[in-house]
Amino acid sequence: QKEVEQDPGPLSVPEGAIVSLNCTYSNSAFQYFMWYRQYSRKGPELLMYTYSSGNKEDGRFTAQVDKSSKYISLFIRDSQPSDSATYLCAMGSGNTGKLIFGQGTTLQVKP
Amino acid sequence: ETGVTQTPRHLVMGMTNKKSLKCEQHLGHNAMYWYKQSAKKPLELMFVYSLEERVENNSVPSRFSPECPNSSHLFLHLHTLQPEDSALYLCASSQGVGYSYNEQFFGPGTRLTVL
Repeated sequence: QKEVEQDPGPLSVPEGAIVSLNCTYSNSAFQYFMWYRQYSRKGPELLMYTYSSGNKEDGRFTAQVDKSSKYISLFIRDSQPSDSATYLCAMGSGNTGKLIFGQGTTLQVKP
Repeated sequence: ETGVTQTPRHLVMGMTNKKSLKCEQHLGHNAMYWYKQSAKKPLELMFVYSLEERVENNSVPSRFSPECPNSSHLFLHLHTLQPEDSALYLCASSQGVGYSYNEQFFGPGTRLTVL
């Protein structure tokens, strides 16, 4: 079983739709959770991070963590064509600096 | 230059060639990383350096040889690669490895093709 599972998509939605991206994980030791966004021909960039279970909101983006279910989500409201990218979940524990990434979900938002 | 830069951006090499990838971070960070990104696979951590000392080596074949001469520069030396080594190689840096919150800043990557 992979430590982190993420549906690779691709996911195609119309502009303005609410997008839900998800990851499940098996290692209960993970303490912090991140979402990275990767545009074509670019490196990943950090979008959201959180430590605890619950929701964290930043503009149109909401990160949700459910540690009891080992499940994290990223919601994008009022999606825009500029949100078209690959979204990578990542998680880590302790202070090793080691992050475990999901496979990435490719999102296309159509005008 | 700002952030994390990588050169070259694209590289095509034969299986018998020797080449090097270069990464430079302009963020004052103490930790640097090499990742391999293949299609439809998660990012694979290859090497971690903290204050120029290698702290992680994820069972990477010896045909990949990292070098970290100082905290701003990281190299990946390549020799006798295989076609399955074709991938996007990403460099990243972070403030350090001793932090519970460890945002890693990535470069744009080097797209490597092995013929």
